[in-house]
Amino acid sequence: GAVVSQHPSRVICKSGTSVKIECRSLDFQATTMFWYRQFPKQSLMLMATSNEGSKATYEQGVEKDKFLINHASLTLSTLTVTSAHPEDSSFYICSAARGRNSPLHFGNGTRLTVT
Amino acid sequence: ELKVEQNPLFLSMQEGKNYTIYCNYSTTSDRLYWYRQDPGKSLESLFVLLSNGAVKQEGRLMASLDTKARLSTLHITAAVHDLSATYFCAVDPSNDYKLSFGAGTTVTVRA
Repeated sequence: GAVVSQHPSRVICKSGTSVKIECRSLDFQATTMFWYRQFPKQSLMLMATSNEGSKATYEQGVEKDKFLINHASLTLSTLTVTSAHPEDSSFYICSAARGRNSPLHFGNGTRLTVT
Repeated sequence: ELKVEQNPLFLSMQEGKNYTIYCNYSTTSDRLYWYRQDPGKSLESLFVLLSNGAVKQEGRLMASLDTKARLSTLHITAAVHDLSATYFCAVDPSNDYKLSFGAGTTVTVRA
C-alpha cells in the first residue's frame, strides 16, 4: 500500500491564486521530506527539502517566497504555490524515506494546471 | 555539476528478448536508485543499490552497480508488455536523499 500520501491529485487554479499541496507519511515519522517537480516528458528536479520544525532548504533557482513549505508535524509537509502562473503548471511530487537505507518513497503526485 | 546520463532514452523492445538500460553518473555516489513511472503516475521504487558490486533482482528486472565505473545497469529479461513504462535512475551522492535523476528511458514493449 501507499507509504506517502499526497493531496490533491489534481488541481486547476486561476493565475494569481495560491494552491496548497499536502504530503503525509502514512505509517512512519519523517523529519525530512522532499519536494520534486516534473514538467511534461521531463525528469524530476528537486525543489526543496522540508525539515520538521525548521525552515526548508531550497535548491538553486527555486524561489522560496513563491514555493512556501511548511513541515509542522512529523507526518505532514505542505507546499504552497503562491501567486501561481501558467508556467508553474507541472507535476509536483513529494517523497520521504522510512529510515537510513530505505528507498525514497514518492507520493502519488499533484498535477497543477494554472489557467 | 552532477550529471546523470541514461541511455537509451527510448527503447522499443520485442517481447521475449533481453535488453539493458545504462545509467552513468559523473560524481562519486554509493547509492543509486531505480524507479518506474507509468504515464500520469508517480514513481514506483524498483531497486536501491547501496554499495559497489550490488546486484538486485526482482522478476524480469535485475539492477547492478559499479561505483568505480560510476555505472549502473538495469537488465530486462524476456520483455513482456507489462514492462512498458519510463525507467529512471537516480543517484544520491551525499547520502541525504537529495536525488539527482537521469532523463529517463521510455520503454515500449511490442509483440
